[in-house]
Amino acid sequence: DQQVKQNSPSLSVQEGRISILNCDYTNSMFDYFLWYKKYPAEGPTFLISISSIKDKNEDGRFTVFLNKSAKHLSLHIVPSQPGDSAVYFCAASASAGNMLTFGGGTRLMVKP
Amino acid sequence: ETGVTQTPRHLVMGMTNKKSLKCEQHLGHNAMYWYKQSAKKPLELMFVYNFKEQTENNSVPSRFSPECPNSSHLFLHLHTLQPEDSALYLCASSSEGSFPDTQYFGPGTRLTVL
Repeated sequence: DQQVKQNSPSLSVQEGRISILNCDYTNSMFDYFLWYKKYPAEGPTFLISISSIKDKNEDGRFTVFLNKSAKHLSLHIVPSQPGDSAVYFCAASASAGNMLTFGGGTRLMVKP
Repeated sequence: ETGVTQTPRHLVMGMTNKKSLKCEQHLGHNAMYWYKQSAKKPLELMFVYNFKEQTENNSVPSRFSPECPNSSHLFLHLHTLQPEDSALYLCASSSEGSFPDTQYFGPGTRLTVL
């Protein structure tokens, strides 16, 4: 059973609007969460992270929100740009180890 | 050269061939990882090496054999693979022991087994 799930395989957004990508997890031991972005023919690139002691982390146009009680995190991109079109993976780890568990990814398409 | 590099970027091999994938990290990290990404599936962790010692083997078939001669290099030796092993193989590195432990990925090797 997948411990990290991204239930939307794809998302289409107009340029300039907000993109919201969602991720759910089941393992309550997870306390560190990351978002990666992946372009075709490239490896995933680290985007932003959040630890469980926070509920929000912001970096420029990217903000990650964590709702521990719901075991849910989301990535907000605002304003969305065509260059943001990529596959976004959320990942989680427990502080006791260095293994990441990944979600299946969401393909974001930002239309000009 | 910076970051994490992988060679070759593309590999086509028959089921009886033996080949090796190479990964090199230039980030001063001490942990390295092999992941497999199949179509429409999440990234699957295969192996973890911390300070050159294998600390995780995620039930990977023996036709995949990792080697980590030092903290900067990681190999994945392949032999008698099956067509279902065709996938993108990604290498990553991180600083084990630090928290948060962010992994940085190479570009991957696209493997096709005929």
